[in-house]
Amino acid sequence: EAGVTQSPTHLIKTRGQQATLRCSPISGHTSVYWYQQALGLGLQFLLWYDEGEERNRGNFPPRFSGRQFPNYSSELNVNALELEDSALYLCASSLYGGGGNTIYFGEGSWLTVV
Amino acid sequence: KQEVTQIPAALSVPEGENLVLNCSFTDSAIYNLQWFRQDPGKGLTSLLLIQSSQREQTSGRLNASLDKSSGRSTLYIAASQPGDSATYLCAVLNAGNNRKLIWGLGTSLAVNP
Repeated sequence: EAGVTQSPTHLIKTRGQQATLRCSPISGHTSVYWYQQALGLGLQFLLWYDEGEERNRGNFPPRFSGRQFPNYSSELNVNALELEDSALYLCASSLYGGGGNTIYFGEGSWLTVV
Repeated sequence: KQEVTQIPAALSVPEGENLVLNCSFTDSAIYNLQWFRQDPGKGLTSLLLIQSSQREQTSGRLNASLDKSSGRSTLYIAASQPGDSATYLCAVLNAGNNRKLIWGLGTSLAVNP
């Protein structure tokens, strides 16, 4: 069974541009989470989607946004890129994001802003 | 506000040793606690998930315990191998409507041949 898949693996953008990252959850999972891990820092929660709706978001500015499609895949968009947005962006999925479900992570997308 | 702390930040051991990684959290109102492994430059692998009603979970050479009342969890790795070298992260899922995973900063483990 395929795990959580993310694309692209690496992305290089210029300051001020927009970046779009994609995630396909494990089949049957309805919840998708996005996390940012900047070098040397812990994982920071970005967004949680379930059944197509944004359920929760972390302490990030509005230029970080996303959506979940009817097939439960998800996109993370980062507008007006800043140098400090350079990080590993991890997507995870689970059955509905309630308490009992293991969360599975993808390999991540490396975003470099120059 | 939930905070998760992992001790030690880094650990270097010779191959074959049994070792314990510690995770503590400040708010006992959790749904579960999960241990992950992160290899350099890669995503996370889920190792063990312990529900709030459980005391421990085992998978192969790994055993994780949970003491919710004291806000502590330990990950025990038996007979460590060089392939166990990675960063180990613990995360708690808060109870209530929050549904956020709160992460520790991890323990960087090096197992030397």
